Amino acid sequence: QKEVEQNSGPLSVPEGAIASLNCTYSDRGSQSFFWYRQYSGKSPELIMFIYSNGDKEDGRFTAQLNKASQYVSLLIRDSQPSDSATYLCAVNEAGGNQFYFGTGTSLTVIP
Amino acid sequence: ETGVTQTPRHLVMGMTNKKSLKCEQHLGHNAMYWYKQSAKKPLELMFVYSLEERVENNSVPSRFSPECPNSSHLFLHLHTLQPEDSALYLCASSRTLAGILGDTQYFGPGTRLTVL
Repeated sequence: QKEVEQNSGPLSVPEGAIASLNCTYSDRGSQSFFWYRQYSGKSPELIMFIYSNGDKEDGRFTAQLNKASQYVSLLIRDSQPSDSATYLCAVNEAGGNQFYFGTGTSLTVIP
Repeated sequence: ETGVTQTPRHLVMGMTNKKSLKCEQHLGHNAMYWYKQSAKKPLELMFVYSLEERVENNSVPSRFSPECPNSSHLFLHLHTLQPEDSALYLCASSRTLAGILGDTQYFGPGTRLTVL
């Protein structure tokens, strides 16, 4: 059973702070790693993906991947109240036919 | 707007009704997925189609019946559902099946289903 683990939270940070979201995965064959944002009652929205070890930056978002530790994280700099949502981590595997999702971390940014 | 549309957006049905959910993707993708998301639970993969062929069926009850007439359309036919089937049903698509490096999955807005 392939597992993707996330701390369900809730995680609360003040506006302007850095929010750090973490995800671990069990399958060493995992190939690509995705972060989705899901507002309450809405569908998941892709934020970014990463497949090489190290950091990948996109605006205020940075994804960090460490395959040796089977760990992927998402940093949100200068957090805004509009960032308040549930963040889903997902992975896939080479040659696989599905994406595996974590349970999500609820983030609240306090004005 | 992700290029994946779903209709209806909201559906209320009785346990004896038959209804269908529709998904359409305008992205030229070859793989399509149905997920169920219940309150406070993670996404549950239900079905996966690649080039109109079903490649995954995650032990879903037979009261859910998928149909993929072409690579742009996906249906979920519902009959004799139970109240515990009330959930958000999400359709998604990806360029190929999930195993291609960097390929990403895009979701439709979902159908909020309530079974009375």
